[in-house]
Amino acid sequence: ETGVTQTPRHLVMGMTNKKSLKCEQHLGHNAMYWYKQSAKKPLELMFVYSLEERVENNSVPSRFSPECPNSSHLFLHLHTLQPEDSALYLCASSQVSRGYEKLFFGSGTQLSVL
Amino acid sequence: DAKTTQPNSMESNEEEPVHLPCNHSTISGTDYIHWYRQLPSQGPEYVIHGLTSNVNNRMASLAIAEDRKSSTLILHRATLRDAAVYYCILRDDTGNQFYFGTGTSLTVIP
Repeated sequence: ETGVTQTPRHLVMGMTNKKSLKCEQHLGHNAMYWYKQSAKKPLELMFVYSLEERVENNSVPSRFSPECPNSSHLFLHLHTLQPEDSALYLCASSQVSRGYEKLFFGSGTQLSVL
Repeated sequence: DAKTTQPNSMESNEEEPVHLPCNHSTISGTDYIHWYRQLPSQGPEYVIHGLTSNVNNRMASLAIAEDRKSSTLILHRATLRDAAVYYCILRDDTGNQFYFGTGTSLTVIP
C-alpha cells in the first residue's frame, strides 16, 4: 500500500454510539492531521500531530478525541456526536519542513450521525 | 494565517488553457504560495507551490506577480479530469498550519 489510507470509507452512527476513525500513512512522514469538511464549507483543521505530539487543537469539542500512537497511525475517537457532526473527515500527513512541505490526504471517511 | 481570495467558480472548454487567479495582498516575504485541488469524492491533492519565481511541473504552471500580491495557476490544456475545486493557500516558513479557503470550483465543458 502507498499513501494515506483511511478506514472506514463510510460510517453511520447514532448519537449514543462510540466509534473510531483510523488513518495510516505509508510515506514516512512525521506529522499527521485531521480535517473536517462539511457540505459546501471549507476544510476545517481539527488536530495536528507533529512527531507524535499534538501541536494544534482548533477548539474542537471534546466529543472528538484524537490519538497518535506512532508516526504512522492516527485515530479519531467519536462519542455522543450530534447530527451537525455529519461530514467528510479527512486525514493528511506531511514531512515537516519550512514552508514548502506538501500535504498528502486520504480519501476520507464520510460520517453520518443519526 | 494570511488570507487568499479566489473566484467561487470558473468554466473552461476542454483542451483549452485555464488561468485560475488568486489574490493575496497581505502576503509576507516568507510566505510560500501553495495550490491544491480536490476532485469529487476525494481528499485534496498537491498541485504546485512557489515563493518568488514562476514554477512548472507536470500538472501545471504557477505564475507569481512581481509584487507577489497575486498568483495564477495555469492548466495548459484542460481535461474533464481537471474538474475540481482548486485551493490557493499561503504558508510561511515558521510552520503555521495549512488553512484552506473556499477555493475555485472549475467546470470543464466537453
